[in-house]
Amino acid sequence: SAVISQKPSRDICQRGTSLTIQCQVDSQVTMMFWYRQQPGQSLTLIATANQGSEATYESGFVIDKFPISRPNLTFSTLTVSNMSPEDSSIYLCSVRTGSDGVQYFGPGTRLLVL
Amino acid sequence: AQSVSQHNHHVILSEAASLELGCNYSYGGTVNLFWYVQYPGQHLQLLLKYFSGDPLVKGIKGFEAEFIKSKFSFNLRKPSVQWSDTAEYFCAVNGPPGGKLIFGQGTELSVKP
Repeated sequence: SAVISQKPSRDICQRGTSLTIQCQVDSQVTMMFWYRQQPGQSLTLIATANQGSEATYESGFVIDKFPISRPNLTFSTLTVSNMSPEDSSIYLCSVRTGSDGVQYFGPGTRLLVL
Repeated sequence: AQSVSQHNHHVILSEAASLELGCNYSYGGTVNLFWYVQYPGQHLQLLLKYFSGDPLVKGIKGFEAEFIKSKFSFNLRKPSVQWSDTAEYFCAVNGPPGGKLIFGQGTELSVKP
């Protein structure tokens, strides 16, 4: 298994600003992902964070809006840029361990944009 | 594109009632299947998984799920629910295994004491 921490746990931001969310894992993992969970909805994959190369974004998500860094095998950041109220959501970091093929999730960052 | 469908948006049961939550997926090849649970105020946890072998898998807290390949289904069951089972339940699919994990819409379960 993997233990994942995220910072901040929640934030209230003004529209037009940016927020960077950090994800730290207690072990080295090959695959890290970022998801969004909008109020009352399911989880949507934003991107796969690749170590040492650019992230792979899903349809509807672009690097300019959600830049991602992955400097090593235990850490990643997601930035939500030029925020609008529609970005209010829970952002979740997830990792897949090679040993059991299961994906584990962090506690999430609850973002409210005013 | 691959998709996952959960039949029920909100289920309300009394304690000791039996539970079955439906999940269907659209991918035609080999899949890995999961049920996750999110208790109020907590983060997403794995309830059970199916990779291969016996299509009836058992998870934590008395939950089980049955993979029926011909029906593209992976329904979650529990013979007798408890108030502490109140949570949101998500079905998720990796198809092909190792690919993207796609989630269903989620089912909110409310158990009345």
